[in-house]
Amino acid sequence: DAGVTQSPTHLIKTRGQQVTLRCSPKSGHDTVSWYQQALGQGPQFIFQYYEEEERQRGNFPDRFSGHQFPNYSSELNVNALLLGDSALYLCASSLTGYEKLFFGSGTQLSVL
Amino acid sequence: GESVGLHLPTLSVQEGDNSIINCAYSNSASDYFIWYKQESGKGPQFIIDIRSNMDKRQGQRVTVLLNKTVKHLSLQIAATQPGDSAVYFCAEILNDYKLSFGAGTTVTVRA
Repeated sequence: DAGVTQSPTHLIKTRGQQVTLRCSPKSGHDTVSWYQQALGQGPQFIFQYYEEEERQRGNFPDRFSGHQFPNYSSELNVNALLLGDSALYLCASSLTGYEKLFFGSGTQLSVL
Repeated sequence: GESVGLHLPTLSVQEGDNSIINCAYSNSASDYFIWYKQESGKGPQFIIDIRSNMDKRQGQRVTVLLNKTVKHLSLQIAATQPGDSAVYFCAEILNDYKLSFGAGTTVTVRA
């Protein structure tokens, strides 16, 4: 049984570019949450998708957007990249809510 | 800002000893808490959770204690092993869907 899978594992972009990160949830899970983790910090909630809609959003600008597909997989898009967007982006899946979130290994994004 | 914090950023423990990792939270309305372990290059791994209607919950070699009076959460690891070396995060639910993490405690196990 595959856990949460994320792609790519590493990515290098330049300021102003756009990036798309992908996530496949754990089998049987229908809810996907995205987190940003800066070096040495705890993960920060970006948003959560359930039934293909954004259900909850953290304190992130509109440059951060997402999508959930009918198969429950999800994408995180970040436009107009800033140096400060460099971080580990984590995807977590769960069944319907927030309990027992299972995390993927993340995508390490570097913005130069 | 973050409402969940850890008392100490680092903890060094002798192999075989018990470890205690502490966490303070500020939102008295939080009703669900989780401890995660994060190893280098990996995502956070679920360890144990506890609801606010409980004071204690035990898992395999781990125990979580919740003191709602002083808004304090702790994770106890029995017979700490080298594989327990990692960063440990406590997290709380501030509303139905948003999990709020503290900054983490780095645990180093000495052989």
